[in-house]
Amino acid sequence: EVQLVESGGGLVQPGGSLRLSCSASGFTFSNYALHWVRQAPGRGLEYVSAISRNGDRTYYADSVRGRFTISRDDSGNTLYLQMSSLRGEDTAVYFCAAWHSSSSFWGQGTLVTVSS
Amino acid sequence: QSALTQPASVSGSPGQSITISCSGTSSDVGGYNYVSWYQHHPGKAPKLIIFDVSNRPSGVSIRFSGSKSGNTASLTISGLQVEDEADYYCTSYTSKTTLEIFGGGTKLTVL
Repeated sequence: EVQLVESGGGLVQPGGSLRLSCSASGFTFSNYALHWVRQAPGRGLEYVSAISRNGDRTYYADSVRGRFTISRDDSGNTLYLQMSSLRGEDTAVYFCAAWHSSSSFWGQGTLVTVSS
Repeated sequence: QSALTQPASVSGSPGQSITISCSGTSSDVGGYNYVSWYQHHPGKAPKLIIFDVSNRPSGVSIRFSGSKSGNTASLTISGLQVEDEADYYCTSYTSKTTLEIFGGGTKLTVL
């Protein structure tokens, strides 16, 4: 059974940092580019960041570039998102995902709330 | 920032057909046959309904179909059902980052 399980969300003050993790199982992790997608309350999905299969290429939305860093550990089947200088507008449910061709796997999301 | 352009909303009545467009450039939608469509019911994980422009994953209803012309991809849903009411997102490979990009999403209302 394919599983993607996010963790690390929570309440953080503006300007603070959080590190999200996504633990994967049930598929060949290293064969997939990996993604973080978020959904703010009452808003649509927003593509946040992505990392290529071998980790040599990364992508960031303009809204997070310079503040977020995506990384992967294929030996541990884990995807990370290091978030710093957090703002109120970063408040959202963060999903990790892997997709290629007809395969698409998503976690259930972890809530990040940025508030004082 | 949405590199792919979708209409914010579309609507239709049960039994009708609707089409959602997804406009990009020759660096993404127009240049590659790697357009996917996701159905998203809020609070749930998005569901892949079309991949590689026009292919349906196993288990997806034949009422969902995809196509592409030039730099614009389209998702057509025929025989609308109440349960089709959801948000729909297109994604595409892009040579600018050699990864994928999302559209801004379209809210489908079934009247």
